[in-house]
Amino acid sequence: DQQVKQNSPSLSVQEGRISILNCDYTNSMFDYFLWYKKYPAEGPTFLISISSIKDKNEDGRFTVFLNKSAKHLSLHIVPSQPGDSAVYFCAASGSNQGGKLIFGQGTELSVKP
Amino acid sequence: NAGVTQTPKFRVLKTGQSMTLLCAQDMNHEYMYWYRQDPGMGLRLIHYSVGEGTTAKGEVPDGYNVSRLKKQNFLLGLESAAPSQTSVYFCASRTDPTNQPQHFGDGTRLSIL
Repeated sequence: DQQVKQNSPSLSVQEGRISILNCDYTNSMFDYFLWYKKYPAEGPTFLISISSIKDKNEDGRFTVFLNKSAKHLSLHIVPSQPGDSAVYFCAASGSNQGGKLIFGQGTELSVKP
Repeated sequence: NAGVTQTPKFRVLKTGQSMTLLCAQDMNHEYMYWYRQDPGMGLRLIHYSVGEGTTAKGEVPDGYNVSRLKKQNFLLGLESAAPSQTSVYFCASRTDPTNQPQHFGDGTRLSIL
């Protein structure tokens, strides 16, 4: 029973265009969502988060959208840069769950020059 | 500014051997977590701790033990290693209050032969 799913294992985008990474969840008790970026041989690095009381959070080139009714979130990267090439994980937690994160399987983004 | 440091970075064990993975954080964080990452499965929580002297089970605790004798250290032990425990292990920590991102170390790559 996968509570957080990233259905696209990989995504390829041209430099300068928009990258859209998607994530679906099943547990309605989740109220905090995060995106992490991971380069090979490194640990995941926190990118951006959103609380369930919001439907959008923006930080520079990165925007996360949350659609609670659809149990869906997405990460938009505009404009995409070659340095954005990495594996992106979405994660979710509930406020009564000790901050435990449930991760999706990850999407490998490749931004081509 | 070390953040979260994991020791060792790589290790090869034989089936049945034991070992301890060390995680140290210098951010005075209350919460610490151990995850494993396997291909195509994202990160799965093994054990976690909500403060010095406390531990709790995560999604996949079998075959592992943990201890949090000091606030800054979280140890993960394998008493009798099995090939199924071949994985990359990540430690993370976070501060209070709830809805704070976890900060990860760079991982320990463990192979069990």
